Amino acid sequence: QQQVKQSPQSLIVQKGGISIINCAYENTAFDYFPWYQQFPGKGPALLIAIRPDVSEKKEGRFTISFNKSAKQFSLHIMDSQPGDSATYFCAARAKNAGGTSYGKLTFGQGTILTVHP
Amino acid sequence: EAGVAQSPRYKIIEKRQSVAFWCNPISGHATLYWYQQILGQGPKLLIQFQNNGVVDDSQLPKDRFSAERLKGVDSTLKIQPAKLEDSAVYLCASSLQGRKAFFGQGTRLTVV
Repeated sequence: QQQVKQSPQSLIVQKGGISIINCAYENTAFDYFPWYQQFPGKGPALLIAIRPDVSEKKEGRFTISFNKSAKQFSLHIMDSQPGDSATYFCAARAKNAGGTSYGKLTFGQGTILTVHP
Repeated sequence: EAGVAQSPRYKIIEKRQSVAFWCNPISGHATLYWYQQILGQGPKLLIQFQNNGVVDDSQLPKDRFSAERLKGVDSTLKIQPAKLEDSAVYLCASSLQGRKAFFGQGTRLTVV
């Protein structure tokens, strides 16, 4: 299975709050899990990514938590700001046959985050 | 470093017409992807090139969509004839052999 399931579809938080977006996958061949941020009229921009050999990765206010046994990963945005209002996509990628290069990104359905001032 | 360039930004055509999109990837990036993003959904891969060879086109509707990447740099994606359901944003992305993929701003296609 190539699906990546993302929830919630939309999320509203107050400024300074914590935003949490969850994703689940089925394909155990996935070994790279990025999160993308997309503003209206723009292409997705890489935010943060994790490999399954670590359980957590933090970059500034953004943290990915990864649970390999549950095949789940999540994005936490600490101290959420109005400028964080965007659509967030989780994604996953596996290596191509032969293991020498990476194949397509399989995206979740997206979460529209709104941070109120 | 220049990003992934796409043109045009917007295109409106009537159904059954043809349309072409252009992409210039980041310099040196051997892998190029075309994704289709329908409103409210995540991007879906249409085709992946490694240099000028096709790696994955399993989700490309080959009866109407075609893509090429001559000389392993620029790429064009064509739709002929277009259908109403082709209305979407077409995203081009590129990457080195590694994992990070960088996206262009996309071309918003409206088929009326």
